[in-house]
Amino acid sequence: GENVEQHPSTLSVQEGDSAVIKCTYSDSASNYFPWYKQELGKRPQLIIDIRSNVGEKKDQRIAVTLNKTAKHFSLHITETQPEDSAVYFCAASPWGDKIIFGKGTRLHILP
Amino acid sequence: GAVVSQHPSWVICKSGTSVKIECRSLDFQATTMFWYRQFPKQSLMLMATSNEGSKATYEQGVEKDKFLINHASLTLSTLTVTSAHPEDSSFYICSARDLALDSTDTQYFGPGTRLTVL
Repeated sequence: GENVEQHPSTLSVQEGDSAVIKCTYSDSASNYFPWYKQELGKRPQLIIDIRSNVGEKKDQRIAVTLNKTAKHFSLHITETQPEDSAVYFCAASPWGDKIIFGKGTRLHILP
Repeated sequence: GAVVSQHPSWVICKSGTSVKIECRSLDFQATTMFWYRQFPKQSLMLMATSNEGSKATYEQGVEKDKFLINHASLTLSTLTVTSAHPEDSSFYICSARDLALDSTDTQYFGPGTRLTVL
């Protein structure tokens, strides 16, 4: 089955700097890669997703890149703000199938 | 947009009792629903996949006789934790997907249910 590895587990960046979270997956059949933001006690919130026919996708300060050959995908947050502090999860899924989550990255934005 | 609700939002029960958690898709028909469990400071772990009108598919290591899943209608799935023990205390989150809605694989998450077993 699919296995998703996520690094780092904790990340602290100065407000205004960029944050990068990296993930790898094992199942070459996976073709859908969502990223979620979760605040304490709340549901995961989809912030961006990418499909295997695309190498990069951007939405304002958030961008995701995908390297299918290497089975790597990354989340980039630019101009970080205090409200970006949360836990971020990457995930992978074959189309129409279950989503497998990474272990999460706790992002701290320092004032 | 697609909205998923869960009930109750939190529940406290005694060890040995059973607890039922409901997951509802409010404005769409969910052909597939997923149940996750999340322990403090950990990731979401998929427990099972349920398809309307058929038996749920459980992930390895999840006891199907302990975690009963019923997806009897296109808008409701229930998870029953039977003979609950303190180690079952966790945050249970459901998600729903309707491929017919937008032909994507987006999952819509419920707000979660916090279960505490005394």
